[in-house]
Amino acid sequence: RKEVEQDPGPFNVPEGATVAFNCTYSNSASQSFFWYRQDCRKEPKLLMSVYSSGNEDGRFTAQLNRASQYISLLIRDSKLSDSATYLCVVNMGAGNNRKLIWGLGTSLAVNP
Amino acid sequence: DAGVIQSPRHEVTEMGQEVTLRCKPISGHDYLFWYRQTMMRGLELLIYFNNNVPIDDSGMPEDRFSAKMPNASFSTLKIQPSEPRDSAVYFCASRGGTSGHTGELFFGEGSRLTVL
Repeated sequence: RKEVEQDPGPFNVPEGATVAFNCTYSNSASQSFFWYRQDCRKEPKLLMSVYSSGNEDGRFTAQLNRASQYISLLIRDSKLSDSATYLCVVNMGAGNNRKLIWGLGTSLAVNP
Repeated sequence: DAGVIQSPRHEVTEMGQEVTLRCKPISGHDYLFWYRQTMMRGLELLIYFNNNVPIDDSGMPEDRFSAKMPNASFSTLKIQPSEPRDSAVYFCASRGGTSGHTGELFFGEGSRLTVL
C-alpha cells in the first residue's frame, strides 16, 4: 500500500459544481496534513493546512478523519480557475525525523 | 519579495553529459529541499539541507547524483553522467521562519530536464 494515495481523476465538473477529493494515508502516527495546488507546468503552492477540527477557507473546506486515516478537500461553487492538480501531503514522524510524503495528485478540470 | 529562484528553467542535453541545476532559497529560510517530479512517481524528495548541512540524502537515486549547499543562499544539484531516465522536472523548495511551524514549502518554478 502506498503511504499516501489519491484518486488521480481526472474530475471533469461544470462551473458551479461541488467536488470532493479524498486522500488516504497509511501511517497512523502522521502528524500534520496539507493540500497543495499545482497548475499545469507550474510549481506546487500551499492551498491549505488540514486541522483536526476541520477548516474552511472561502469555497474550500478541508477535513481530517484520523480513525479512517483520510483527509478530504471540498470545493464549492467551482470556478474555471480551480482547474489544477490537487496534491495531498502528509507529514510523518516528528522533530528531526519529520518527512513530507506527497500523493500523486488529483486532476480537476472545471468546464464552462 | 523574491521567491525561490532556480536555473536553468529548461535544459536539453545528451546522455553522458554533466548537468548542474542551481537554486537560491528565500532569504532567511534554513531548510532547502530538492525534489524530482515525474508523471509516474510524482514528487520525490531527493535531499534536504538544514542550515547548509545535508540531513537526509536517502532519496538520491544513485552516485551519479550529488548536491551541495556551500552557503545559505545557494545550492546545486549535479547529475554526472546524465541518462535519459533522469528526464524530469527538478524543484527546489525552501522553508523557514514562520513557515517552519506550518510546514509550508515554497517552491521555485522548477528546472525541466530532458536527456536525449
